[in-house]
Amino acid sequence: AQSVTQLGSHVSVSEGALVLLRCNYSSSVPPYLFWYVQYPNQGLQLLLKYTTGATLVKGINGFEAEFKKSETSFHLTKPSAHMSDAAEYFCAVSAYNNNDMRFGAGTRLTVKP
Amino acid sequence: DTGVSQDPRHKITKRGQNVTFRCDPISEHNRLYWYRQTLGQGPEFLTYFQNEAQLEKSRLLSDRFSAERPKGSFSTLEIQRTEQGDSAMYLCASSLDRAATGELFFGEGSRLTVL
Repeated sequence: AQSVTQLGSHVSVSEGALVLLRCNYSSSVPPYLFWYVQYPNQGLQLLLKYTTGATLVKGINGFEAEFKKSETSFHLTKPSAHMSDAAEYFCAVSAYNNNDMRFGAGTRLTVKP
Repeated sequence: DTGVSQDPRHKITKRGQNVTFRCDPISEHNRLYWYRQTLGQGPEFLTYFQNEAQLEKSRLLSDRFSAERPKGSFSTLEIQRTEQGDSAMYLCASSLDRAATGELFFGEGSRLTVL
């Protein structure tokens, strides 16, 4: 079975600063990894995903993440935070051979003016 | 709008009542998933369907929870004899081919409040 740990339930950055949200995973088979964003009272929207191939993946709104197998990590970054980035971010893991996507507990990103 | 739609968006009920939520997936998607999300937590997998077949239901929280997907189109999630602990957001997601793309498309959720 897969699992995900998100380090830090709340991250606060200033507008224009680097955003770094941390995610570590556990999987007995090659993982599929995802970052989703959730705005208040809304569903989840996919930011980016890694399945196979290039380990640095780019997503929407300027976000990117790098799959590091040796570190079992899939951290999410954005060079310059914008006020509109304030939301809840979820890391998730699944695999090619199952339909059970497991989510982390989430990280709330606050962006200060 | 061609996304996943859920109804109702909000439901307030008294303890002991039954509630039903409906999910309409993206039309060409053959897989449909139900998740529960409580405050401050990530979504928790409940069950999923491939077409009309329910292929995983062991994660349903108790025998008070049941889900159906007649004809492989929309799905319903029913909670019988609701308890205050059932208060949560119930999310539906769909996908076309799980193995190929890995991505789930989520609806906006149905928020349940049990008084």
